[in-house]
Amino acid sequence: EVQLVESGGGSLQPGRSLRLSCTASGFSLGGYAMSWFRQAPGKGLEWVGFIRGKAYGGTTEYAASVKGRFSISRDDSKSIAYLQMNSLKIEDTGVYYCARVRWGYDPDAFDFWGQGTMVAVSS
Amino acid sequence: QSALTQPASVSGSPGQSITISCTGTSDSVGNYNLVSWYQQHPGKAPKLMICEDTKRPSGVSIRFSGSKSGNTASLTISGLQAEDEADYYCCSYAGGPTYVFGTGTKVTVL
Repeated sequence: EVQLVESGGGSLQPGRSLRLSCTASGFSLGGYAMSWFRQAPGKGLEWVGFIRGKAYGGTTEYAASVKGRFSISRDDSKSIAYLQMNSLKIEDTGVYYCARVRWGYDPDAFDFWGQGTMVAVSS
Repeated sequence: QSALTQPASVSGSPGQSITISCTGTSDSVGNYNLVSWYQQHPGKAPKLMICEDTKRPSGVSIRFSGSKSGNTASLTISGLQAEDEADYYCCSYAGGPTYVFGTGTKVTVL
């Protein structure tokens, strides 16, 4: 059974950094691209970025709203994908989800999602 | 890229069919066959319901179907059931690569 579990969320002040983890089980992480999303309280979903699988060099792509501040990495040996968030802003507050990419150099869809971890940025 | 436009709410009685629209532009919905739909129950993770405009992933009920015409994609739920009450989001590839979500639709089963 495919499972994704996010961890590392918390409450912090603007300008600080935080690293989220996404631990995968039930499949070989190395064979898939992984993506991150967020959802502000009471709002809709927003794509944050993704990291391609090793077959495509593990390259990354980001939404304009986080480019230069967030970075995604992966440790396939540990079955973990990471989201490093720097220079956090109040508007980065929300539940952060990781999801598996179904297929493709650029994802066609996101087929399994974790339950999310909350990040609250406030002064 | 602005969010795709969805109706805020759609409702129907058990057994009826409902359709949720998702309107984008020629830079997103109308230019790629990469619209996907997600169901999200309150406090839960999203679930993939439709991919590549019309494809239903394994395990998703045949009551869910997707279609597209021009810059507008649609999700139809047939034989509406109480368990279908949830929020639904469309998502489209928009080049770049970037991905843009819809504004979300709350489905209520009367």
